[in-house]
Amino acid sequence: DTAVSQTPKYLVTQMGNDKSIKCEQNLGHDTMYWYKQDSKKFLKIMFSYNNKELIINETVPNRFSPKSPDKAHLNLHINSLELGDSAVYFCASSHQGRAGELFFGEGSRLTVL
Amino acid sequence: QQQVKQSPQSLIVQKGGISIINCAYENTAFDYFPWYQQFPGKGPALLIAIRPDVSEKKEGRFTISFNKSAKQFSLHIMDSQPGDSATYFCAASIGGTGNQFYFGTGTSLTVIP
Repeated sequence: DTAVSQTPKYLVTQMGNDKSIKCEQNLGHDTMYWYKQDSKKFLKIMFSYNNKELIINETVPNRFSPKSPDKAHLNLHINSLELGDSAVYFCASSHQGRAGELFFGEGSRLTVL
Repeated sequence: QQQVKQSPQSLIVQKGGISIINCAYENTAFDYFPWYQQFPGKGPALLIAIRPDVSEKKEGRFTISFNKSAKQFSLHIMDSQPGDSATYFCAASIGGTGNQFYFGTGTSLTVIP
């Protein structure tokens, strides 16, 4: 069983479109995250939710909107996609208070044309 | 401002050699120092971690050396194998909270057969 699963794995779309990435974890964790990895492999945290409550919201354009329907799911919706949004987006989860022990999904590679 | 500085950016090692990746930090409040390993097309995975009350932790061929006074820590991979070729990230966190968790910039390791 996959611990943290993301869909889709690949996403190719045109500028200006809206897209969503879904994430689910079956580890029983109560904290979930979205990270962005750019072409230089740098990992940047975007959002974090704890028990469906937003606890981290880094400086991210408001075109990005996370939604957590329950503590096992954290989705990312992106409006009006721009070329600079092209990256790999990783979902991760952890137990509360153990943010150093992250479990990552396999990533969703977004390409904006 | 980069909270955790990692070097080198890339590393090429012969099979059987020792791979060494270094990280440095300034904030003495950090209390957990994990290393993550990321293979191409996969998400980062926790490899090994250390707390500042010990100077060394070893798990198989992987060892973390920690120098609290110098505020530096390093990953040593003994008897490096081609299967170790991956990107390695050091990280540091305070109190297990996600909003005080920082990744280094990553080191791309290539082990030549």
